[in-house]
Amino acid sequence: DIQMTQSPSSLSASIGDRVTISCRASQSITYYLNWFEQKPGKAPKLLIYAASSLQTGVPSRFSGSGSGTDFTLTISSLQPEDFATYYCQQSHSAPYTFGQGTRLEIK
Amino acid sequence: EVQLLESGGGLVQPGESLRLSCAASGFTFSSYTINWVRQAPGQGLEWVSAMSGRGGRTFYADSVKGRFSISRDNSQNTLYLQMDTLRVEDTAIYYCARDSAETTLVQWGQGTLVVVSS
Repeated sequence: DIQMTQSPSSLSASIGDRVTISCRASQSITYYLNWFEQKPGKAPKLLIYAASSLQTGVPSRFSGSGSGTDFTLTISSLQPEDFATYYCQQSHSAPYTFGQGTRLEIK
Repeated sequence: EVQLLESGGGLVQPGESLRLSCAASGFTFSSYTINWVRQAPGQGLEWVSAMSGRGGRTFYADSVKGRFSISRDNSQNTLYLQMDTLRVEDTAIYYCARDSAETTLVQWGQGTLVVVSS
């Protein structure tokens, strides 16, 4: 199975900051990498698919990059509604594993 | 509007069985792969299982293989997850989520809680 490792596990940042979250796959997944946002008590929401494609309706301050084994989610200017937990997930081969999550908190 | 509505959760004892349902509307159900994803209390997301639109392909996480079985009734726009030999560690909110033509897990239900406890 493909293991997904996110870093950091938690992050404190301020409104307006630029934030980067990393995700590493245990083997190449080409570009089959997705990013999700989850707020407390809510279902996850797809933000980015295929490593860098922005899902419809997601603000352009979110962007994704990477290929192979190393990927990055960037939020260019943090807004109050962005404080949440973020997960990467590989959809290259089943089982379609998630990273352990990165909790983004207000500094 | 796309809607996914899970049901069937509840409290069961270890070793017992439970069947979850995911009722879908607002899209051509038989055209899309549907997944089950779970989240244990205070923990991260775990992909559990998926079934292709026509039901020809099924996939499972190692943690549930041999105990859980996914199925669908396209005439009723409903996906199922039969969970047998439940363990305490299966306690979680279970979400169903559909794929699109472009990618996976584009829309999610609100989840149903399964508690396995003696």
